[in-house]
Amino acid sequence: GAVVSQHPSWVICKSGTSVKIECRSLDFQATTMFWYRQFPKQSLMLMATSNEGSKATYEQGVEKDKFLINHASLTLSTLTVTSAHPEDSSFYICSARRWGANTDTQYFGPGTRLTVL
Amino acid sequence: KQEVTQIPAALSVPEGENLVLNCSFTDSAIYNLQWFRQDPGKGLTSLLLIQSSQREQTSGRLNASLDKSSGRSTLYIAASQPGDSATYLCAVRPGSGGYQKVTFGIGTKLQVIP
Repeated sequence: GAVVSQHPSWVICKSGTSVKIECRSLDFQATTMFWYRQFPKQSLMLMATSNEGSKATYEQGVEKDKFLINHASLTLSTLTVTSAHPEDSSFYICSARRWGANTDTQYFGPGTRLTVL
Repeated sequence: KQEVTQIPAALSVPEGENLVLNCSFTDSAIYNLQWFRQDPGKGLTSLLLIQSSQREQTSGRLNASLDKSSGRSTLYIAASQPGDSATYLCAVRPGSGGYQKVTFGIGTKLQVIP
């Protein structure tokens, strides 16, 4: 099946620094990727939809200037958490949409755990 | 707005027992429903995906059913093993055009006791 990777799998950073998370579709091209966030004991919530070559669409309540999304190629989307604070500590998961004549499926990455000290 | 509920929130069973996890959703206009497994501190592992036109999917000891009209899906695990211990998530993708927002349930935390 299709594979989506994320890098890094975990990261610890100091408050005030920026962290970049990569999401790659390894064996298919994805014009659309999605970023989700999961806080402890809560469900995964969609943060934004990333479209290749255009601006991301953010869900209500998600600060676009804090969570910068770039989808510069058909296989790579990046999420940058700018000026991270402890409340940004969370589990971030991306998914990539693979669609064509006979398929339309979202494949999820393994996730990145961010801890902000 | 789609809402996904999973019951029970936690479940503890002895090894070897068959069990059922439940997922309900409020909007029946779905594209597909997917069951995932999440181990503590880890990412998602896709278990089964059921398209809206399907009634069930099977993989090994796992069987997932879908009743769109009643807004329900069940994940049946046969002959449970300690390695099945994890949180099981249900995710619903809407059927409305290009809108792709997947709504997740909060999960059922399963513990299989040896």
